[in-house]
Amino acid sequence: NAGVTQTPKFQVLKTGQSMTLQCAQDMNHEYMSWYRQDPGMGLRLIHYSVGAGITDQGEVPNGYNVSRSTTEDFPLRLLSAAPSQTSVYFCASSYYRGPNTEAFFGQGTRLTVV
Amino acid sequence: LAKTTQPISMDSYEGQEVNITCSHNNIATNDYITWYQQFPSQGPRFIIQGYKTKVTNEVASLFIPADRKSSTLSLPRVSLSDTAVYYCLVGVKDTGRRALTFGSGTRLQVQP
Repeated sequence: NAGVTQTPKFQVLKTGQSMTLQCAQDMNHEYMSWYRQDPGMGLRLIHYSVGAGITDQGEVPNGYNVSRSTTEDFPLRLLSAAPSQTSVYFCASSYYRGPNTEAFFGQGTRLTVV
Repeated sequence: LAKTTQPISMDSYEGQEVNITCSHNNIATNDYITWYQQFPSQGPRFIIQGYKTKVTNEVASLFIPADRKSSTLSLPRVSLSDTAVYYCLVGVKDTGRRALTFGSGTRLQVQP
């Protein structure tokens, strides 16, 4: 069972470069979200989506774009990478309709911006 | 988004019971409260989930008061392998839609 798949696992970018972090889930979850985790810190919500075509900003959305064209995929785009975006990124999915908030996580993407 | 707060760190010894509390004043009305464990360089791992009163599974108990504005994760008889960061996760309604928001995390250090 695939669950939540994130790619790539590791990435090094130069300042100003752009890239897309991929996230896919096969559990037919309505809700998908992206978090970043800085060293020694907690998980902060970047963007989230409650279904195809619907996205919202989280706590730290600046510098990131998202789209949700299908239920399965929720890519995160960095338009112009900055060293402050060096972090570990986690994608998660869960049901949205109903009280169950158990989220399933990808393995994470470790991004370094130099 | 409303803050979900936890103590930054806790210390314990092997065999003791550990209780970690999360405050979530703005929790969405019908949502469950979920707790996760995270080891370095790994993603969060599900521990337990509940809606109200008390829930128990093979690794932990979760206590939720009637107003649901807080929850307490209880780890019985901790061992060295329980050294990790623990997060609560709740649904928070801010601008209409519900966003799943992590607490700030509690770093538990278990000593022999």
